[in-house]
Amino acid sequence: AQSVTQLDSHVSVSEGTPVLLRCNYSSSYSPSLFWYVQHPNKGLQLLLKYTSAATLVKGINGFEAEFKKSETSFHLTKPSAHMSDAAEYFCVVSEETSYDKVIFGPGTSLSVIP
Amino acid sequence: NAGVTQTPKFRVLKTGQSMTLLCAQDMNHEYMYWYRQDPGMGLRLIHYSVGEGTTAKGEVPDGYNVSRLKKQNFLLGLESAAPSQTSVYFCASSYSTDGIAPTYEQYFGPGTRLTVT
Repeated sequence: AQSVTQLDSHVSVSEGTPVLLRCNYSSSYSPSLFWYVQHPNKGLQLLLKYTSAATLVKGINGFEAEFKKSETSFHLTKPSAHMSDAAEYFCVVSEETSYDKVIFGPGTSLSVIP
Repeated sequence: NAGVTQTPKFRVLKTGQSMTLLCAQDMNHEYMYWYRQDPGMGLRLIHYSVGEGTTAKGEVPDGYNVSRLKKQNFLLGLESAAPSQTSVYFCASSYSTDGIAPTYEQYFGPGTRLTVT
């Protein structure tokens, strides 16, 4: 069975410092993995996705994530945080091509301190 | 393109009342989904549709019904609202590149905040 764990419910960083949001997954098959961002009172927006191509995935707004099969991890990083990065981030796993086998993690709230 | 829109944005219901949430997309997507978002639980799939006239149950379907009479619209109904249905509801849509199955990228609406007292 699939599952997603986001290791931190809240992360706080200073503007200009690196961001690391951690995600571990459990999957019986080769999964597809995603990061979505949700700004306050908005819908979710896709940041990046891994679908069995390159293990280092680059997304929008300077974010990237690395798929590490041996560690079952898909951590999200950004070299330098901006104030506009403050939002909720969701790690998502999906197995095969299945309409309802999409599992959202509980989310990590990112705060950016000026 | 407006993308995915949801109406209403906010609603307060009393226990036992009914209501319908409307989701509309103008991207000609085949697949549409209804999720609920509760604190600390991520998003959970309520119902989904793989095409006009078809619907299926997701992870938490009890207390909800859906209809997809037109490709661009996906309605979520609550027949008898309960306080446990207080949540933020998100609609999403996705498309197929091979005509067989959806891509995993979903496009989300802005959400409907529902409170049941």
